[in-house]
Amino acid sequence: GAGVSQSPSNKVTEKGKDVELRCDPISGHTALYWYRQSLGQGLEFLIYFQGNSAPDKSGLPSDRFSAERTGGSVSTLTIQRTQQEDSAVYLCASSPTARQKLFFGSGTQLSVL
Amino acid sequence: KQEVTQIPAALSVPEGENLVLNCSFTDSAIYNLQWFRQDPGKGLTSLLLIQSSQREQTSGRLNASLDKSSGRSTLYIAASQPGDSATYLCAVSHRNEKLTFGTGTRLTIIP
Repeated sequence: GAGVSQSPSNKVTEKGKDVELRCDPISGHTALYWYRQSLGQGLEFLIYFQGNSAPDKSGLPSDRFSAERTGGSVSTLTIQRTQQEDSAVYLCASSPTARQKLFFGSGTQLSVL
Repeated sequence: KQEVTQIPAALSVPEGENLVLNCSFTDSAIYNLQWFRQDPGKGLTSLLLIQSSQREQTSGRLNASLDKSSGRSTLYIAASQPGDSATYLCAVSHRNEKLTFGTGTRLTIIP
């Protein structure tokens, strides 16, 4: 596809369940970011991948959150034992390399009941 | 810690007017600044990217300026149209390559 693709677009889960969110960046983009946007809040940085470098995980809010990027392409954000405060829109973005124009996906709306 | 502020939080203007959105940041050691728009229920679309060495960037009816030393940027929209209604966010990029976002200005253009 031409843009950043995220799936699912919506996810409703029960408290305590694990969820996986997927991001398929633009082909050839080496930088990939995950952000979280809660209702009425700004974008909160979660994690950043750049090529084969170790990811910057400094924004992950707890050890229930993890992410991986396989083969320098698709990324998966995993949230274990979900809590209600995890409800938010999870946005993925990619760019050709670091500090260049970012292209965002449409996001995954996560609702934890 | 970098803080990015956007004022006002919301703005309504009649169609056809020119308008300015403001963004300020506390740490001037930035690499670049981007302006984005976000439509309801959608992701963000990058509008303009200004490198720290630049003073402004233009794209169509949009002009973004950057005063790095004073920690300010403005987004100027000329001849506003109803389709410009959206939330506009600015974000600054640091040495560590993360972007810090402002909370946005919700713009409504009144037909």
